[in-house]
Amino acid sequence: DTGVSQDPRHKITKRGQNVTFRCDPISEHNRLYWYRQTLGQGPEFLTYFQNEAQLEKSRLLSDRFSAERPKGSFSTLEIQRTEQGDSAMYLCASRRQGGTDTQYFGPGTRLTVL
Amino acid sequence: AQSVTQPDIHITVSEGASLELRCNYSYGATPYLFWYVQSPGQGLQLLLKYFSGDTLVQGIKGFEAEFKRSQSSFNLRKPSVHWSDAAEYFCAVGAGAQKLVFGQGTRLTINP
Repeated sequence: DTGVSQDPRHKITKRGQNVTFRCDPISEHNRLYWYRQTLGQGPEFLTYFQNEAQLEKSRLLSDRFSAERPKGSFSTLEIQRTEQGDSAMYLCASRRQGGTDTQYFGPGTRLTVL
Repeated sequence: AQSVTQPDIHITVSEGASLELRCNYSYGATPYLFWYVQSPGQGLQLLLKYFSGDTLVQGIKGFEAEFKRSQSSFNLRKPSVHWSDAAEYFCAVGAGAQKLVFGQGTRLTINP
């Protein structure tokens, strides 16, 4: 069990640029979640996948955000035309399908938009 | 809608003292409840969870939490804190397909 990994750990970009983050879940976990955490706040749910299907999206996920999990393994989160308000920690979590299984979190990607 | 309230934004305790972090939730069904800890710049580590059964749950690092349905609370406790416990603590409720709704967090500072 190697844990959830995220890449990059830090990203600095200029307003208007596109950025993409990657999440590799724990290998046998078929559910994958993305959360956003701003300074001084708890994480907020963005979206989740069961295998390759994106089953739920938060209204926080504007049309500039897109997430994919093409083969049901790793996932990417892309933000187009970044804004300063997108600056946050983006956290990925994974779990097995099942009512009581725990979500395991990755270390996060810290995005700073200048 | 589901929500979690952590009334204390920041708590300071002395090393060796006891600790209680408060958490109140709002959820229409039987809740799944969690406590996570986050060190600066890091992801979240699960301390403990409650799904059903015994309302007093034991976790890692000597932490425990008690589920009180009548008070909609799930407070976290530790009898004696260590300097390494300084971190941010988040209470969360499982909602829907187990997406989590988090509280604002409580930052714990330990005085030597």
